[in-house]
Amino acid sequence: ETGVTQSPTHLIKTRGQQVTLRCSSQSGHNTVSWYQQALGQGPQFIFQYYREEENGRGNFPPRFSGLQFPNYSSELNVNALELDDSALYLCASSPRGTSGSGEQYFGPGTRLTVT
Amino acid sequence: QKEVEQDPGPLSVPEGAIVSLNCTYSNSAFQYFMWYRQYSRKGPELLMYTYSSGNKEDGRFTAQVDKSSKYISLFIRDSQPSDSATYLCAMNKAGGAGNKLTFGGGTRVLVKP
Repeated sequence: ETGVTQSPTHLIKTRGQQVTLRCSSQSGHNTVSWYQQALGQGPQFIFQYYREEENGRGNFPPRFSGLQFPNYSSELNVNALELDDSALYLCASSPRGTSGSGEQYFGPGTRLTVT
Repeated sequence: QKEVEQDPGPLSVPEGAIVSLNCTYSNSAFQYFMWYRQYSRKGPELLMYTYSSGNKEDGRFTAQVDKSSKYISLFIRDSQPSDSATYLCAMNKAGGAGNKLTFGGGTRVLVKP
């Protein structure tokens, strides 16, 4: 069974640029969630995708957007990067859609540095 | 006030001791409770997952949930240096859109040989 994978591992961008992060969900999982984790803090929910549609969003501005593809993989796009966007971006997959069960399985993350 | 509070530590214990971790929360809608372990610069790894109140044991790990007190705990028996990591509690409401996990800030644990 293949776990959640993310790419790239880390990258450096300049303020104002755009970035795309990628995630492949664990085999058999149809729901993908994205989280932002600042240094020394717990992850913060950005949004979740189920059946290729956004299924809930946290307190993040519209310049954070995403996609889910038919194979359940997902992308996180961030436009107009700001210094505060520097963080570890985590993708998590789960085997259920809109039911209340909560277990989510995380990938290794992408470390984004904005200079 | 944050929805989920967790002492940041660090919590330092000698090898073989019991590690006791806990979180408090304010939202009574939380129904699912999880503990994750996160090594430095890695993604969180799911350790334990419980629904509603009660205890759950898995090897050296025991998770407890007391919904009446809005308090959850994780105990690690016979701690090893490899248990040194940050431990995150996370919670989820039953139903609803998004199934977002709400995390505590994490407790850093150091197990000294």
